[in-house]
Amino acid sequence: EVQLVESGGGLVQPGGSLRLSCAASGFTFSTYAMSWVRQAPGKGLECVSTISGGNSGTNYADPVKGRFTISRDNSKNTLYLQMNSLRAEDTAIYYCAKSRGSYGGAFDIWGQGTMVTVSS
Amino acid sequence: EIVMTQSPATLSVSPGERATLSCRASQSVSSNLAWYQQKPGQAPRLLMYGASTRATGIPARFSGSGSGTEFTLTISSLQSEDFAVYYCQQYNNWPFTFGPGTKVDIK
Repeated sequence: EVQLVESGGGLVQPGGSLRLSCAASGFTFSTYAMSWVRQAPGKGLECVSTISGGNSGTNYADPVKGRFTISRDNSKNTLYLQMNSLRAEDTAIYYCAKSRGSYGGAFDIWGQGTMVTVSS
Repeated sequence: EIVMTQSPATLSVSPGERATLSCRASQSVSSNLAWYQQKPGQAPRLLMYGASTRATGIPARFSGSGSGTEFTLTISSLQSEDFAVYYCQQYNNWPFTFGPGTKVDIK
């Protein structure tokens, strides 16, 4: 079964850090681009970062550039998102998503999401 | 950044009726357009990609059309399980951006 399972969310104070993980199974993880998409409570979807399956090139949305780092360990079939200098506006459900292609494409598989709350 | 807009914000439809959802891009995205369905408490689910290709397991009552900047998702005969929020997304240029969503609810 093709599956993505996120972990690592929780409550953190402003300025703090968290590392999210996404464990993949049921497909050749190294081949595909992977992304992190977030959804603030009651709001829409925002793609914050993506990493290609080929050369592991990365992209970041402006609101997280310089604070978040996406990475992948193909030997462990795991995607990561290191989040530093967290702000209240980073509060959201964070989903990992698999692209249909190596360098992008629609998101055909989604995890169940992990909640990140930034609050004092 | 490519801005995606969707209309209407809310669509009230009776079961069995046809629903037509619109999505517009601020500049051409070619056919690199996807539609997702999201139900409360669930992750989004891919419905369409390439503007008009149904994803695996998606019923034939869902169809997509358009290219460039104007796109449409049509649900030919709404079933109870189709009441949800629908998002369009362009993946032609980074950042990949989503529309604000159209909520399809029961009339």
